[in-house]
Amino acid sequence: NAGVMQNPRHLVRRRGQEARLRCSPMKGHSHVYWYRQLPEEGLKFMVYLQKENIIDESGMPKERFSAEFPKEGPSILRIQQVVRGDSAAYFCASSPAGRNQPQHFGDGTRLSIL
Amino acid sequence: KQEVTQIPAALSVPEGENLVLNCSFTDSAIYNLQWFRQDPGKGLTSLLLIQSSQREQTSGRLNASLDKSSGRSTLYIAASQPGDSATYLCAVAGIYNQGGKLIFGQGTELSVKP
Repeated sequence: NAGVMQNPRHLVRRRGQEARLRCSPMKGHSHVYWYRQLPEEGLKFMVYLQKENIIDESGMPKERFSAEFPKEGPSILRIQQVVRGDSAAYFCASSPAGRNQPQHFGDGTRLSIL
Repeated sequence: KQEVTQIPAALSVPEGENLVLNCSFTDSAIYNLQWFRQDPGKGLTSLLLIQSSQREQTSGRLNASLDKSSGRSTLYIAASQPGDSATYLCAVAGIYNQGGKLIFGQGTELSVKP
């Protein structure tokens, strides 16, 4: 049973470009979460999605960032017009339905902005 | 606003020693508390999840306790091994966020010397 799969593992973009990060949840998991880990900082929640629905986006920056989890296919975190401050590790987690289910994390995407 | 604090920030012990990692949180309105380990350049591995109604959970050499009223959790590692070297993170799921959003502490970096 494959774990949470994130790709790419490393992504380099120039300022002003778009970054698209993908996350395939574990089999049977219908909930997806995105977190960001900035250098020398802890993990910060960004967004919580279920299939075709955003449940909580309280941690998402208001501009340039968007997330989706379509009926078919992986969840996508999109960052438009990237800036140097977007350089970070972005982690995706998934869980089954239910409030007391553990979240299982992928290995992350390391985004570097030149 | 929920805040999670972990003490100490770093810990170095000789192999074979028993040790305790501490986690405190400011808002006791939680669904659960989860302990993770993170190896350098990797994602998070879920170790233990304690529901708010539980006092402790055990897995192998690991034992996690939860005192919700005082806002504290401890992770006890018995007979530590060099392979236990990693950063340990605790995270709480608050009831005001539909259970999806995890609030993380800054972590304890553990080094077990052979």
